[in-house]
Amino acid sequence: NAGVTQTPKFQVLKTGQSMTLQCAQDMNHEYMSWYRQDPGMGLRLIHYSVGAGITDQGEVPNGYNVSRSTTEDFPLRLLSAAPSQTSVYFCASSYSTGPGNTIYFGEGSWLTVV
Amino acid sequence: GIQVEQSPPDLILQEGANSTLRCNFSDSVNNLQWFHQNPWGQLINLFYIPSGTKQNGRLSATTVATERYSLLYISSSQTTDSGVYFCAVGAHKLIFGTGTRLQVFP
Repeated sequence: NAGVTQTPKFQVLKTGQSMTLQCAQDMNHEYMSWYRQDPGMGLRLIHYSVGAGITDQGEVPNGYNVSRSTTEDFPLRLLSAAPSQTSVYFCASSYSTGPGNTIYFGEGSWLTVV
Repeated sequence: GIQVEQSPPDLILQEGANSTLRCNFSDSVNNLQWFHQNPWGQLINLFYIPSGTKQNGRLSATTVATERYSLLYISSSQTTDSGVYFCAVGAHKLIFGTGTRLQVFP
């Protein structure tokens, strides 16, 4: 049981390049989400999904795209990287939103845009 | 939207000391969670505590939903407790506070 797996762990991009951060979970969780964490701040929600084929925007969605074709995978696409997207990105998953729900986070992806 | 504030922003302790971290939120919530982010960046869920009190070893948490705050207690702190503690409201769409950075020295 690997939990939530993110790749790559580190990436340097040039302004204007595109890339995809991968996220996979093996716990059969319905809910998956992407957050970004900037220095000295808490995490902010980018996009989330409540099941395969269903996605929605979070607090800071601009410049990012997502899709959810399977329960297991939830990739995050940067369409045209900007220095303001330099951040640490976390993928998370959970089984439900009910009482006692536990949210599992991946180990993070450190992205630098130069 | 809901605002989540944490205090203190920084806390420095010697091993064995106790501490209380506070989380205030601006509106009524049905879900509140506490997380620990270790020095390597890994986020671990500590408590799901929309109301009441829970304990897990040296850690305990209390949420008073009617007064819009939650407290995280750490007793007999250890160096492995170092890191950043976040509270977050919401279910799968979390709104995080800015965290309390805890440093525990031997």
